Amino acid sequence: DVKVTQSSRYLVKRTGEKVFLECVQDMDHENMFWYRQDPGLGLRLIYFSYDVKMKEKGDIPEGYSVSREKKERFSLILESASTNQTSMYLCASSLDSNAVEKLFFGSGTQLSVL
Amino acid sequence: ILNVEQSPQSLHVQEGDSTNFTCSFPSSNFYALHWYRWETAKSPEALFVMTLNGDEKKKGRISATLNTKEGYSYLYIKGSQPEDSATYLCAYAGNNRKLIWGLGTSLAVNP
Repeated sequence: DVKVTQSSRYLVKRTGEKVFLECVQDMDHENMFWYRQDPGLGLRLIYFSYDVKMKEKGDIPEGYSVSREKKERFSLILESASTNQTSMYLCASSLDSNAVEKLFFGSGTQLSVL
Repeated sequence: ILNVEQSPQSLHVQEGDSTNFTCSFPSSNFYALHWYRWETAKSPEALFVMTLNGDEKKKGRISATLNTKEGYSYLYIKGSQPEDSATYLCAYAGNNRKLIWGLGTSLAVNP
């Protein structure tokens, strides 16, 4: 079974903390994505990466950064967590970035920032 | 502003009922339409990626149709089962290849 694994299912952090969300895929996919899901809003793209060490801003990159040092791993970093970053975070990967390849998702990390 | 709308927002059906939901999207600059199923506490799972007007795809009891000229896709579930209970998401990609997601249709199938 192909897999996208997110390191934590639930995470509770305090305002101002630096937070790392880790994602690993075992499909040798070039493209990896970080989304957040909030009630009443569709999935929103934070950042994506189409190759090692390459990254592109999505629709809501403010307050986030990413790291892709190895092909299989894509990390989302909250430099100084704030309460408005409380959300469900989903990582995904795909074979191609041309939108005709399906996305494979992790099971999500529910982050609460207190 | 590009919008992807899904209806209904939620649906309750009895086991054995057939059901369908709609995804509406911009009819111009169409490139691809995705359908995903997201069960609680699990990963969203791809059902279909559709690119051609008039396309119909099927996976077991689930099928989907695509009308790019009028900007809609239907997802059908035949003979719903409790394990079909999930949120069904669609996502539209225009010529810029960026996915825009709908809010989903939440389906509950009562045994």
